[in-house]
Amino acid sequence: GESVGLHLPTLSVQEGDNSIINCAYSNSASDYFIWYKQESGKGPQFIIDIRSNMDKRQGQRVTVLLNKTVKHLSLQIAATQPGDSAVYFCAETRPKGYSTLTFGKGTMLLVSP
Amino acid sequence: DVKVTQSSRYLVKRTGEKVFLECVQDMDHENMFWYRQDPGLGLRLIYFSYDVKMKEKGDIPEGYSVSREKKERFSLILESASTNQTSMYLCASSLVTANSPLHFGNGTRLTVT
Repeated sequence: GESVGLHLPTLSVQEGDNSIINCAYSNSASDYFIWYKQESGKGPQFIIDIRSNMDKRQGQRVTVLLNKTVKHLSLQIAATQPGDSAVYFCAETRPKGYSTLTFGKGTMLLVSP
Repeated sequence: DVKVTQSSRYLVKRTGEKVFLECVQDMDHENMFWYRQDPGLGLRLIYFSYDVKMKEKGDIPEGYSVSREKKERFSLILESASTNQTSMYLCASSLVTANSPLHFGNGTRLTVT
């Protein structure tokens, strides 16, 4: 929504640069992670996921890296475009009786032409 | 593509009113979720359902109830709306298999005056 970006850390890049968005997670038992993109006025959109038995997964222009030792997740976007401007959330599965996703607060990515 | 449709984009209600937020998904997903999204707090899970007529409390169920009479439809109910329930409400669905991504609707922005 319009106010999603308030109070969020912001990453500003130039068009064509590579972007790296970071996320720290807290639960060492989490075994599944997802990155979402949320554009203004829209709901979160699935980008890429990774399971805890992997440390890297690639999609189209995106790569997710998982470092379980330090509980860190990153999203790399190659050749960033203005259309990539959005809020990006990481989410982890936290077993809670029935597993559900828990979301990070998000990072706003601003891409300048 | 999965489509999750929320019936209203914007709603304005008065304190004390009973409010229904409706959500329909078209991919035969077993799981459905209601989140609220607030600046600085991210997405917080209100309720979820893993089958018709089944429901589980999320992290912030107080003041809300849900109904799932059909597989494709999940309703969020505010029995007596209060101003602190002004928020963006997001519905999502997923497959029942472990570690399946959530697919979100575009949200309902509810204002309670």
